[in-house]
Amino acid sequence: DIQMTQSPSTLSASVGDRVTITCRASQSISSWLAWYQQKPGKAPKFLIYGASSLESGVPSRFSGSGSGTEFTLTISSLQPDDFATYYCQQYNSYPYSFGQGTKLEIK
Amino acid sequence: EVQLVQSGAEVKKPGESLKISCKGSGYSFTANWIGWVRQMPGKGLEWLGNIYPGDADTRYSPSFQGQVTISADKSISTAYLQWSTLKASDTAIYYCVRSITGSTFDYWGQGTLVTVSS
Repeated sequence: DIQMTQSPSTLSASVGDRVTITCRASQSISSWLAWYQQKPGKAPKFLIYGASSLESGVPSRFSGSGSGTEFTLTISSLQPDDFATYYCQQYNSYPYSFGQGTKLEIK
Repeated sequence: EVQLVQSGAEVKKPGESLKISCKGSGYSFTANWIGWVRQMPGKGLEWLGNIYPGDADTRYSPSFQGQVTISADKSISTAYLQWSTLKASDTAIYYCVRSITGSTFDYWGQGTLVTVSS
């Protein structure tokens, strides 16, 4: 099974900051990586697929990059609505697996 | 508008059985995958499995194979997740998810909280 590891686990930042979250796979997953955003008490929201393609309606301040085993999610200028927990997910092979999550907090 | 509407919260005792549901609307139920994702209290996301209602093709995570059963009734556009013998460790929120390709989850249900306690 493919293990997904995110770093950091918690990130404190301010509105307007540029932040980057890293996701590493235990083996190559090509570009079969997705990102999700989850706010407290809510279902996750689909943000990015194919490592770098934005889902329709997702603000352009979100971007993804990477391939193989190392991936990043970048938010170019944090907005108040962006404080949430972010998860990566590999879909290269069954069983699909998620990272443990990165909680983005207000500094 | 795509919607996945899940059944309500459940409180069960260990050893009991349970079946929760997820009704899809606003899209072709038989031409998209439906999956289930678990979130234990204060924890991350875990994929349990997917079903393609069009032909009932079902895939399970090995961690959940034999522990749960995923099914679908395409006549009423509803997918199910069931347990025959619940354990306290099954306490979690369970989300149903739509997937066009069977791999990424673009729409999520509101979640069903399952509490298993004696």
